[in-house]
Amino acid sequence: QVHLQESGPGLVKPSQTLSLTCTVSGASINSGDYYWSWIRQPPGKGLEWIGHIFYSGRTNSNPSLRSRVSISVDTSKTRFSLELSSVTAADTAVYYCARMGFTYGTLTAWGLGSLVTVSS
Amino acid sequence: SYELTQPPSVSVSPGRTASVTCSGENLGDKFTCWYQQRPGQSPVLVIYQDSKRPSGIPERFSGSNSGNTATLTISGTQPVDEADYYCQAWDSTTVVFGSGTKLTVL
Repeated sequence: QVHLQESGPGLVKPSQTLSLTCTVSGASINSGDYYWSWIRQPPGKGLEWIGHIFYSGRTNSNPSLRSRVSISVDTSKTRFSLELSSVTAADTAVYYCARMGFTYGTLTAWGLGSLVTVSS
Repeated sequence: SYELTQPPSVSVSPGRTASVTCSGENLGDKFTCWYQQRPGQSPVLVIYQDSKRPSGIPERFSGSNSGNTATLTISGTQPVDEADYYCQAWDSTTVVFGSGTKLTVL
């Protein structure tokens, strides 16, 4: 059974870069069946898709965040990462990593989430 | 940009049927999923490919998608079903979530 775990700083200063890593166990990132995704949820608000990466390194992201988002996968294929630059208080959220089916776009497995607060 | 609209809240009495709608332009042409999220927890998939249930999801959960509207239906709603529900669409490029619906069972 696949397990995803987010990790990274819980506090980031305004204008800096938010960096998170998702460690995957129980499945290989090096599979053509899935995208590996990032989603966030500001406190008390709804879900927002950030972007995803394929094992080949191909990425796609939310147009509203695209200029600030970078998603990468490590060469060992056991984890993938998110960088969000020039953060503001509006980027304060719980950040989830998730596995998404390639064909139907179904988010079948989620991490527990990591709260990131942007504050000086 | 593509948008999915859900009612902010839906109320239902225990044992009755709850329907949560999700509207978007030509939504019936896309693959739609539904997620349940209880407070403090990660979302859980309850419906995928418009109407399929993952293993472990009770039969009382069902879904449909046609035209501009997808619907999540919970038959014989139980107090444990009280949660936020989000629809999600995929057009082979981007993911869009609905605004979310708080289901209250009272």
